[in-house]
Amino acid sequence: NAGVTQTPKFRVLKTGQSMTLLCAQDMNHEYMYWYRQDPGMGLRLIHYSVGEGTTAKGEVPDGYNVSRLKKQNFLLGLESAAPSQTSVYFCASSSGGVGYEQYFGPGTRLTVT
Amino acid sequence: AQKITQTQPGMFVQEKEAVTLDCTYDTSDPSYGLFWYKQPSSGEMIFLIYQGSYDQQNATEGRYSLNFQKARKSANLVISASQLGDSAMYFCAMRETGGSYIPTFGRGTSLIVHP
Repeated sequence: NAGVTQTPKFRVLKTGQSMTLLCAQDMNHEYMYWYRQDPGMGLRLIHYSVGEGTTAKGEVPDGYNVSRLKKQNFLLGLESAAPSQTSVYFCASSSGGVGYEQYFGPGTRLTVT
Repeated sequence: AQKITQTQPGMFVQEKEAVTLDCTYDTSDPSYGLFWYKQPSSGEMIFLIYQGSYDQQNATEGRYSLNFQKARKSANLVISASQLGDSAMYFCAMRETGGSYIPTFGRGTSLIVHP
């Protein structure tokens, strides 16, 4: 039981390059999330999904796209990376409902130069 | 307006003493849940404790307890007998029925435990 895994753990991109971050969970959770964490800003929600085939925008969606083709996977794409997207990215999953905690992946540290 | 407010950017406590980390929330939803997570310097997010809006008693998990004051809309985390390993960032979060259960996080409080 691996929980939530993220690939890759570190990445350096040049401005304008693209990349995809992969999140996988093995807990059969309906809900999945992508956050970015910047110093002093806490966790900000980029996009989320409430089930296979669904996605929705969070607080800071600009410059990112997501897909949830399979229930266990949630992909975050950067089409044209910008230095402002330098951050630590966390994926999380949970069951629906007010009483369920989130399970987080280990994070991906992305630097855009 | 922020739904979750953590007013203490940084806190310091002496080892073995108790410390309270503040969290206030804003919701008109009668059904909601409040969570605390810990993020040590290694970066992972660790779930600590949960309080439901209909729970009559304050939640406790080992050395962690949640001081839930519904009328004041506060859900403070109390850590008893602090340990050096408690040094970390602490985040308060809320899930509401009306918000499609999408969690909202506070900006966090950095706790440093001194020996």
